[in-house]
Amino acid sequence: DQQVKQNSPSLSVQEGRISILNCDYTNSMFDYFLWYKKYPAEGPTFLISISSIKDKNEDGRFTVFLNKSAKHLSLHIVPSQPGDSAVYFCAASAPGGGNKLTFGTGTQLKVEL
Amino acid sequence: EAEVAQSPRYKITEKSQAVAFWCDPISGHATLYWYRQILGQGPELLVQFQDESVVDDSQLPKDRFSAERLKGVDSTLKIQPAELGDSAMYLCASSLGLASGANVLTFGAGSRLTVL
Repeated sequence: DQQVKQNSPSLSVQEGRISILNCDYTNSMFDYFLWYKKYPAEGPTFLISISSIKDKNEDGRFTVFLNKSAKHLSLHIVPSQPGDSAVYFCAASAPGGGNKLTFGTGTQLKVEL
Repeated sequence: EAEVAQSPRYKITEKSQAVAFWCDPISGHATLYWYRQILGQGPELLVQFQDESVVDDSQLPKDRFSAERLKGVDSTLKIQPAELGDSAMYLCASSLGLASGANVLTFGAGSRLTVL
């Protein structure tokens, strides 16, 4: 049972344009959501997070939007840069879960010149 | 910048052999996690420690996998015997505590296992 889903395995955008990565979840108990970025042969690195009491969180070029009624969140990267090319994982945690993260399957972002 | 250290980075072994991975979390991080990432999939939790105690090992295949964190600092994950399906990246992560959402997990670079 995949509780966190990233239905787009890959995304290609041009440098300078907006990248939008999507994530859906099924567990209504999730109260905290995170995005991680992963380069090949490296571990995931934390990018940005959002609590379920908010609907938007922004950090520089990165903005995460949360739509609780639709159980959907998205990561916007503006403007996209070649160095943003990586696999992006959506993750979620629930109260009482000991801060355990449940990950999606990832979206490979390629930013082209 | 503080890092989570893992070794070895790469391990090739034959099936039925024993393998072990080591992790040293960020100093002061009480919670330690072992995740497994199979190519094309997201990381999946194998085991979670709070200090030296296991908090969650529900997804750990206990017939062949074992994990320990004896002094509540570094940790070892062992597989014996290794099977072909164990080929994956083994990721260690740590965080300050258990409060949901309050702590971000910091991951190490991972240990890539190939079972032949």
